[in-house]
Amino acid sequence: NAGVTQTPKFQVLKTGQSMTLQCAQDMNHEYMSWYRQDPGMGLRLIHYSVGAGITDQGEVPNGYNVSRSTTEDFPLRLLSAAPSQTSVYFCASRGDSSATGQYFGPGTRLTVT
Amino acid sequence: DAKTTQPPSMDCAEGRAANLPCNHSTISGNEYVYWYRQIHSQGPQYIIHGLKNNETNEMASLIITEDRKSSTLILPHATLRDTAVYYCIVRGTGANNLFFGTGTRLTVIP
Repeated sequence: NAGVTQTPKFQVLKTGQSMTLQCAQDMNHEYMSWYRQDPGMGLRLIHYSVGAGITDQGEVPNGYNVSRSTTEDFPLRLLSAAPSQTSVYFCASRGDSSATGQYFGPGTRLTVT
Repeated sequence: DAKTTQPPSMDCAEGRAANLPCNHSTISGNEYVYWYRQIHSQGPQYIIHGLKNNETNEMASLIITEDRKSSTLILPHATLRDTAVYYCIVRGTGANNLFFGTGTRLTVIP
């Protein structure tokens, strides 16, 4: 299994541009989520999904959209990039049992100028 | 979800056991204790979790006190590759978020 994969690894955007961060997992996990990590800080939840067709907001959802059309994929869309969205973005997934641990992707490092 | 308290940093000699403490005095009955680590610039890595009983896997052991108000993650023979930030997280089965604090920065010294 490849686990959780994310693309791209690095991205530079100008203020106002939009883009989609891709996340895929091949473990047939129902639960997927997106976090952001700012320098020297812990991770904060942006959006999550408990299954295909179901999404919900996390702690810091403003400026981001998500969709979950398949079990495998959970893309994160930045609608109009702002410098405050400069961060490292991590996607994670876990199995059906809500007690299991989450598996994280390698991250996307986004800079907005 | 209950908050956790961890020391900001610890050192451990290579080959020795690393014991990382975590206080979670407000933990409730259905909340699990999870440990993750983050090696520089990489995604967090799940290590282990437990509810009441001590747990062991190929990476580490988790010791939870009888009153469940604290726990210790044990890396039995620390290597240089174990240098990372270790996060102790408490989460109920119905919660969807993991509240990452600032964790403990473990440095394994040759």
